[in-house]
Amino acid sequence: GAGVSQSPSNKVTEKGKDVELRCDPISGHTALYWYRQSLGQGLEFLIYFQGNSAPDKSGLPSDRFSAERTGGSVSTLTIQRTQQEDSAVYLCASSLTQLGTDTQYFGPGTRLTVL
Amino acid sequence: KNEVEQSPQNLTAQEGEFITINCSYSVGISALHWLQQHPGGGIVSLFMLSSGKKKHGRLIATINIQEKHSSLHITASHPRDSAVYICAALATEYGNKLVFGAGTILRVKS
Repeated sequence: GAGVSQSPSNKVTEKGKDVELRCDPISGHTALYWYRQSLGQGLEFLIYFQGNSAPDKSGLPSDRFSAERTGGSVSTLTIQRTQQEDSAVYLCASSLTQLGTDTQYFGPGTRLTVL
Repeated sequence: KNEVEQSPQNLTAQEGEFITINCSYSVGISALHWLQQHPGGGIVSLFMLSSGKKKHGRLIATINIQEKHSSLHITASHPRDSAVYICAALATEYGNKLVFGAGTILRVKS
């Protein structure tokens, strides 16, 4: 694929259920980022995978949030026991190298609605 | 106080006008990004700069490191420029993670 893809594009779930959001980065990109954009608020950093290094999880809002990146490619963001305040658009981005100054390419996002 | 502040929050312009969006930051940075987000659409990286000025088509981005300020200019604005423009600082004190401004909602009327 030409760009970053995310699935599903929309997810509606009930409070208390677990959800998994998927990100397929651009092939060959070693860095992968997850961000969240809540309604009426700006973007916030969640987690950053950098090559084979341990991920930077400093932006995860609670221990209900976790993410993994298998084989240095696809990443999954998991939210356990979802709450209404988790409703947001979850965006994934990737960049070619581990350098922080590389251009990040964003996916279309997954819109999560927790009822 | 937000570490990255943008102004104005909302901007309405007439087609053809010259537009300026401002970004001030209080953190140490290694680079600053300007992003564009269309309604219902994804985010596109417009510029990444660490000094001076960059130009792409009708868009110009400048940064003044000493004053911790960046501007995004749009010349000869067009309705298709209507979008949210987001400034994001690559903050060195946060391990080179992006810290985002709240965004500027631009509407260009024909």
